[in-house]
Amino acid sequence: NAGVTQTPKFQVLKTGQSMTLQCAQDMNHEYMSWYRQDPGMGLRLIHYSVGAGITDQGEVPNGYNVSRSTTEDFPLRLLSAAPSQTSVYFCASSYSGTGAKNIQYFGAGTRLSVL
Amino acid sequence: GQQLNQSPQSMFIQEGEDVSMNCTSSSIFNTWLWYKQDPGEGPVLLIALYKAGELTSNGRLTAQFGITRKDSFLNISASIPSDVGIYFCAGQQGGSEKLVFGKGTKLTVNP
Repeated sequence: NAGVTQTPKFQVLKTGQSMTLQCAQDMNHEYMSWYRQDPGMGLRLIHYSVGAGITDQGEVPNGYNVSRSTTEDFPLRLLSAAPSQTSVYFCASSYSGTGAKNIQYFGAGTRLSVL
Repeated sequence: GQQLNQSPQSMFIQEGEDVSMNCTSSSIFNTWLWYKQDPGEGPVLLIALYKAGELTSNGRLTAQFGITRKDSFLNISASIPSDVGIYFCAGQQGGSEKLVFGKGTKLTVNP
C-alpha cells in the first residue's frame, strides 16, 4: 500500500523560479490538503480540496496555487518562488466528513529551499 | 490563524521516565488527534479522540479528551529511546475536515 506519495523529496530553487510539488494517494480519499511546516510553527494549512474539481484556501494560501482534476492527485504550484517559501511541505488525505473515518494520513514531505 | 496552545515546547528525559504533554484552546473541538513525527518523516497518527471525557490508550500511550472540549493531554509511560520525535496535537471543529495543529512538543530521551 503506497498511501500518500509526495515527489520530489528535496528541491532547491532560485528566487522567481516556478515548480510543482506532486501529491498522489491511492486510498480513494475525497479530502486532500497541503501544509507547510516551519521551525517552531507546527503545521499550517495552505490549500485543501473536498473532492475533484473543488479547492479552497487554508490559513496561508498566498503564493501557492492548487487544482484537483482527479481524486488521486493534488499538485501544489509555486508560480514565482520566494525565500519565504523555504519550508517542508506535507500533503495529507482522508475520507470526507468528521468522526472515526476522518483520519488524515500524511506523506513523507518535500523539503524546499529557495535561494 | 487559529492554533492550539501545546506545552511544553521541548522535554529532555531519562529512559524509563513518564512523559506528559497537553494542548489547550479557547475554542471547542469535536475531535482531538495526537500525531508523532520522526525526523525526516511525515506525522503519523497515534491516538484519536471523539467524545468529551474519552480516555484512550495505545500501548504505553494514553490520551484524554477534556470535559470542556477545549483541551487534551497525552501521557507516555516508561519512555524508551524510540519515543524520540515531535508530538503534535490537532483538533477538528464542527463539520469541517480541516485540522488545526499545535506547535509541537519535541521529546528527547537519554538512554
